[in-house]
Amino acid sequence: DGGITQSPKYLFRKEGQNVTLSCEQNLNHDAMYWYRQDPGQGLRLIYYSQIVNDFQKGDIAEGYSVSREKKESFPLTVTSAQKNPTAFYLCASRGGAGANTGELFFGEGSRLTVL
Amino acid sequence: GENVEQHPSTLSVQEGDSAVIKCTYSDSASNYFPWYKQELGKRPQLIIDIRSNVGEKKDQRIAVTLNKTAKHFSLHITETQPEDSAVYFCAPFLYSGGGADGLTFGKGTHLIIQP
Repeated sequence: DGGITQSPKYLFRKEGQNVTLSCEQNLNHDAMYWYRQDPGQGLRLIYYSQIVNDFQKGDIAEGYSVSREKKESFPLTVTSAQKNPTAFYLCASRGGAGANTGELFFGEGSRLTVL
Repeated sequence: GENVEQHPSTLSVQEGDSAVIKCTYSDSASNYFPWYKQELGKRPQLIIDIRSNVGEKKDQRIAVTLNKTAKHFSLHITETQPEDSAVYFCAPFLYSGGGADGLTFGKGTHLIIQP
């Protein structure tokens, strides 16, 4: 099956700990995104990446870090510097040059709870 | 970046009636106008999109209309059914076939279908 896989689905973390959320896609998409979703806040962009070894900050990048060492993978690290990390995190991807649609494909999300 | 606003934030309609959700945007260069549906606890999924060279697109009970001059586009759902209950997001951007712009989503509209 082609698609985007996020793991873990649920994650609990103690304050002061870093945690890494995994995002893997086998759609051969160039662009990948991380969004944070809070109730009533919609989807807010954390980081995005066009190609391997390149990424840009979104609107709420503080306290987060990413890497893009492989086309298929775009992990997100929630660091201890993120003041309010409890949220639902969504990874998405989009086809690049040659794609005939601007559609974003989303993973099922990771729900992070800080205890 | 793109400034995106959706109205209303919550919409309650009787089953069988029509629903209209509006999205306004700021970047006149935007040329791709999608609507995503997110059911409770699930990932957002594209339900309909429109390019700037088209004024209206219809797919069964849903349609999207675009007014580029006024910089807004709307989602229309006719003969609403219980399964239409969800949160709907717009995410207009400049689609060039490649690259990864920082895609900005509206804050979402919670559509409630009353039996």
